[in-house]
Amino acid sequence: DTEVTQTPKHLVMGMTNKKSLKCEQHMGHRAMYWYKQKAKKPPELMFVYSYEKLSINESVPSRFSPECPNSSLLNLHLHALQPEDSALYLCASSRRGVSTDTQYFGPGTRLTVL
Amino acid sequence: GQQLNQSPQSMFIQEGEDVSMNCTSSSIFNTWLWYKQEPGEGPVLLIALYKAGELTSNGRLTAQFGITRKDSFLNISASIPSDVGIYFCAGQKVGNFGNEKLTFGTGTRLTIIP
Repeated sequence: DTEVTQTPKHLVMGMTNKKSLKCEQHMGHRAMYWYKQKAKKPPELMFVYSYEKLSINESVPSRFSPECPNSSLLNLHLHALQPEDSALYLCASSRRGVSTDTQYFGPGTRLTVL
Repeated sequence: GQQLNQSPQSMFIQEGEDVSMNCTSSSIFNTWLWYKQEPGEGPVLLIALYKAGELTSNGRLTAQFGITRKDSFLNISASIPSDVGIYFCAGQKVGNFGNEKLTFGTGTRLTIIP
């Protein structure tokens, strides 16, 4: 089983709203990732959690706040977003987060900020 | 962020034709991955390559890890309508502090002409 699940599938929010994206995997992977993808572009890395600790933050604005409650779950808390933050948000996981790993992606959450 | 040089950018082919696309980089990578993405979905892993010179097949798909570790190609034989989508290569190498990142290619959009 190489499944990464994400909820919700679609999300529409106003600029003053607070919402959260959720990601789950049960493959025993210890590295989890958040990516942002704009139309017709490759995914851009936002955050990496390795063994439940934040190991990479790619200079993401503080209106995006990641959380890793346990090794199977990854959240992305959203607050005071801008319309330009509208994108497909992808979660991925890999076994250990090393260079010989393979990352498996979830189906994504399509976010629209009004 | 950094992106890999992926070509061609788009392909328009007839059903049954063979397809070839490649990625090149000025940097050495430890792993090459090929993903396919359909609209509104997350990237799906097609083939993973772990050793320089490795040639791996997955059904009608064949991919190779370049001997210099700076390039990779993906071939699709006898294309069918469900091959339509965007294909991304991705390279992975040891990052700072042991934190690994995927570097994505710019994508190849495959369209099959009826």
